[in-house]
Amino acid sequence: DQQVKQNSPSLSVQEGRISILNCDYTNSMFDYFLWYKKYPAEGPTFLISISSIKDKNEDGRFTVFLNKSAKHLSLHIVPSQPGDSAVYFCAASDQGGSEKLVFGKGTKLTVNP
Amino acid sequence: ETGVTQTPRHLVMGMTNKKSLKCEQHLGHNAMYWYKQSAKKPLELMFVYSLEERVENNSVPSRFSPECPNSSHLFLHLHTLQPEDSALYLCASSQGTGAPGETQYFGPGTRLLVL
Repeated sequence: DQQVKQNSPSLSVQEGRISILNCDYTNSMFDYFLWYKKYPAEGPTFLISISSIKDKNEDGRFTVFLNKSAKHLSLHIVPSQPGDSAVYFCAASDQGGSEKLVFGKGTKLTVNP
Repeated sequence: ETGVTQTPRHLVMGMTNKKSLKCEQHLGHNAMYWYKQSAKKPLELMFVYSLEERVENNSVPSRFSPECPNSSHLFLHLHTLQPEDSALYLCASSQGTGAPGETQYFGPGTRLLVL
């Protein structure tokens, strides 16, 4: 059973608009969440993270929102740029095992010029 | 070389072959990981090494055998694989401080095809 779910396999947005990528989790022990971005033929690269003690973390055009009661987080990219086209993975970890990241299946974002 | 490197980038092998995947990190990290990414599935953690000691083995079949001779190198030895083992194998490293959600740095992966 998947503990981290990204229910949208793909998302397409216009350049300049907002991209919203969603992630749901089932394990209430998760207390740290990360987003990774992956281009073809490259490994995933860390993008942004959020601790469960916060509900928002912002880094430039990227903002992650966490709703613990709903076990839901989202990544907002605004404004979206064609170079943001990639697969975005949501990942979670719990205090008991910081080496263990549980990943979602990923959402492929396409930003059209 | 910087970051995390993996060789080979692509590998085709028969079910009776023995091959090894190599990972090297140039970041001074103490923890290294092997992940498997199959089509339409999440990244699955296979093995974790911290300071060259294996700390995690996620019920991986014995036909996959990891080796960590030092904190910079990690190998995955493959033997008598099955076609369903075809996947992208990703190596990652992290500082290994034990901090929650510690950032992991990934290599580009080895695309493996088992015939």
